Amino acid sequence: DTAVSQTPKYLVTQMGNDKSIKCEQNLGHDTMYWYKQDSKKFLKIMFSYNNKELIINETVPNRFSPKSPDKAHLNLHINSLELGDSAVYFCASSPRGRATQYFGPGTRLTVL
Amino acid sequence: GQQLNQSPQSMFIQEGEDVSMNCTSSSIFNTWLWYKQDPGEGPVLLIALYKAGELTSNGRLTAQFGITRKDSFLNISASIPSDVGIYFCAGRSNSGYALNFGKGTSLLVTP
Repeated sequence: DTAVSQTPKYLVTQMGNDKSIKCEQNLGHDTMYWYKQDSKKFLKIMFSYNNKELIINETVPNRFSPKSPDKAHLNLHINSLELGDSAVYFCASSPRGRATQYFGPGTRLTVL
Repeated sequence: GQQLNQSPQSMFIQEGEDVSMNCTSSSIFNTWLWYKQDPGEGPVLLIALYKAGELTSNGRLTAQFGITRKDSFLNISASIPSDVGIYFCAGRSNSGYALNFGKGTSLLVTP
């Protein structure tokens, strides 16, 4: 299936831990994104990479670090997790120059 | 990015009714998108609009790109229970990659 996939689907961890979320797309898109969806369902852009180059870096704590090993993958690493990091994180991708973004299924992160 | 004004916040309707929702922005957009999110899933693209005044349909869904380029509308005709979900508008200007999202309209349909 052609799609945006994320792992894991659920992530439960303790405060202070470091965790990673992986994202892969096989749509041949050049641009990938990370969004955070809070409890009120608001979708907020965090990062965007275009062909492995960082192009959007919103006001996000530097505990969050994206890594793009190639244009099909964009991983999100989070250091020193805090309670407020609990949310659903979505990866998305878009074709070159197009606004249409295609989202993954989300990773629900719960920090205890 | 800015957060778009999307209304209504929620709708509770009976099966068979038509639904309308809209989205406004304080700035001009060159693209308007409408997404639907089912519980536990990611947003799914429904309709993309690229030109002021454009009217585009996808089955029972019809969306319009407002003439001012600062608003967009989504209509769902003859709603069915599987239309339940959260509908998001999103817009993008020519000056960047980021999509600006509305807060969503939560739709509930009773049989």
